[in-house]
Amino acid sequence: DTGVSQNPRHKITKRGQNVTFRCDPISEHNRLYWYRQTLGQGPEFLTYFQNEAQLEKSRLLSDRFSAERPKGSFSTLEIQRTEQGDSAMYLCASSLASGTGYDTQYFGPGTRLTVL
Amino acid sequence: AQSVAQPEDQVNVAEGNPLTVKCTYSVSGNPYLFWYVQYPNRGLQFLLKYITGDNLVKGSYGFEAEFNKSQTSFHLKKPSALVSDSALYFCAVRLNSGYSTLTFGKGTMLLVSP
Repeated sequence: DTGVSQNPRHKITKRGQNVTFRCDPISEHNRLYWYRQTLGQGPEFLTYFQNEAQLEKSRLLSDRFSAERPKGSFSTLEIQRTEQGDSAMYLCASSLASGTGYDTQYFGPGTRLTVL
Repeated sequence: AQSVAQPEDQVNVAEGNPLTVKCTYSVSGNPYLFWYVQYPNRGLQFLLKYITGDNLVKGSYGFEAEFNKSQTSFHLKKPSALVSDSALYFCAVRLNSGYSTLTFGKGTMLLVSP
């Protein structure tokens, strides 16, 4: 168990540019989540996958945001035409869904995005 | 809708003293409750969770939490604080039926002084 990994750890970009983040979950975890965390706030849910299917998206996930998990393993989160308001820490988590329903989410270290 | 309130932005305690970090929740049904800790420039680390059964839940690093249904609370406790416990603590809730998203509080900074 090597934990959830995220790349890059930091990203600085100019307004209007596109950025893509990658998340590698704990192996064999079938659920993968993306969150956004701004200063002074807890993580806010963005979207989640079960295997390769994207099952839920928050209304926070505007049309400029897209997430994929093509083979049910790693996931990417892309932000198009970045805005200064997108500056935040983007967290990925994974879990192993069980029949009991109370799977625990394990988080990666996050990608800190700064939009200039 | 579900929500979590952490009424204290910061808790200060001296090393060796007991600590409590407060959390209250609102959910339309029975809850699953979680505590996570976040160290600077790191992701959230899972501490403990309440699913059902015994109201006192024990977790990592000597932490425990008490579920109180009547007060809709899930306070985090530790009998004797360490300086290394200084970090940001998050309480989270989700509904215990079907799938529901995990909703976090805004966090409480715990500062343990030597």
